[in-house]
Amino acid sequence: GQQVMQIPQYQHVQEGEDFTTYCNSSTTLSNIQWYKQRPGGHPVFLIQLVKSGEVKKQKRLTFQFGEAKKNSSLHITATQTTDVGTYFCAGLYNTNAGKSTFGDGTTLTVKP
Amino acid sequence: DGGITQSPKYLFRKEGQNVTLSCEQNLNHDAMYWYRQDPGQGLRLIYYSQIVNDFQKGDIAEGYSVSREKKESFPLTVTSAQKNPTAFYLCASSPNRGWTEAFFGQGTRLTVV
Repeated sequence: GQQVMQIPQYQHVQEGEDFTTYCNSSTTLSNIQWYKQRPGGHPVFLIQLVKSGEVKKQKRLTFQFGEAKKNSSLHITATQTTDVGTYFCAGLYNTNAGKSTFGDGTTLTVKP
Repeated sequence: DGGITQSPKYLFRKEGQNVTLSCEQNLNHDAMYWYRQDPGQGLRLIYYSQIVNDFQKGDIAEGYSVSREKKESFPLTVTSAQKNPTAFYLCASSPNRGWTEAFFGQGTRLTVV
């Protein structure tokens, strides 16, 4: 079946260091979304990428969608303790299907 | 306040009992979803509904059932046929069928003893 692979599974950083998580699909995606889940919480929508090669920024967060629309990344510059949580990507293969496939997430811990 | 509400937050049941988890949204969204999340794992789709009176199986539908009689409600029943029901259950809604931004409820943590 269609799968979205997300790496790494865990990332431990010192506060102030950068962080990147990657999502990869073997087939072309229609769009990809990113969510953040704080410990004990629920996923919260961060952003949606639709166009090939698209780059979007939200303060210290940079989101990219690959040229082939098969991969995506989330980069956080100068991490803060408030960045801790699990970051998920969710890829949509077919807009008619009405459902996305989630990656397994990358759990970020930040040491102050 | 607009949003998606799941209740209860914590639920305990004895093995062999069916249990129904509530999910209500007042966002006027067409699509609703149920996910299961196990510790340290991602979200796995149980069932989803794109329109009232219609729903489809997700990746792990066995042992679960749903109904969509009203646009704002999408309850999930965990039946005794589900072999490992203890998990964190998340309900989500999306404005339309094409999976745009999804809004998640607070989740229900089900423990079966």
